[in-house]
Amino acid sequence: AQTVTQSQPEMSVQEAETVTLSCTYDTSENNYYLFWYKQPPSRQMILVIRQEAYKQQNATENRFSVNFQKAAKSFSLKISDSQLGDTAMYFCAFMKPRSNAGGTSYGKLTFGQGTILTVHP
Amino acid sequence: DAGVIQSPRHEVTEMGQEVTLRCKPISGHDYLFWYRQTMMRGLELLIYFNNNVPIDDSGMPEDRFSAKMPNASFSTLKIQPSEPRDSAVYFCASTLAGGPFKLFNEQFFGPGTRLTVL
Repeated sequence: AQTVTQSQPEMSVQEAETVTLSCTYDTSENNYYLFWYKQPPSRQMILVIRQEAYKQQNATENRFSVNFQKAAKSFSLKISDSQLGDTAMYFCAFMKPRSNAGGTSYGKLTFGQGTILTVHP
Repeated sequence: DAGVIQSPRHEVTEMGQEVTLRCKPISGHDYLFWYRQTMMRGLELLIYFNNNVPIDDSGMPEDRFSAKMPNASFSTLKIQPSEPRDSAVYFCASTLAGGPFKLFNEQFFGPGTRLTVL
């Protein structure tokens, strides 16, 4: 079974600064997907960024980027120019595509424990 | 699109009562997931469906929990009888599986149902 570990229960950062959230995972699979989700106080889960394991290039989405180290099974999230609206709980998630007779299909997401990020003005 | 719709948003019930949570996935999505979030256990997958068929229910805690998807636009999660330890936020999520290049899309989450069992 896959496991996802976020070792930082809480982080804080000053507005406009950069912060990095850590995530490690354990799997024997070679083909998989990694995601970072944001959960603000409203409790809505919002996708921040996605990384396909077969891609060596790190994914970026505006102020959000990842450092994907496949050999080390590490998937950290960097938030640049932090904004007050970034305050939320952040979840790292792993998805192994499911194999069936028809080929590969969507598998289930395994989430880390979450990191609460607070951005201070 | 209105996104994933869940009802009710809040539910307070007494131990032993039956609770039914409802979900309407995004139109056209072929996967639907039910999650439970608690402080102790974090976010856990309970069950997921593909084209209305349950694929993996290994996360369902016990026989008191059941989930159905009678059609592509509606799913229910039922707890009978409910217990105080079932108190949690229950999320429904949906997605459209990857296309020809197997790009697996994000799951879109509903706003959740906060369940309190007294």
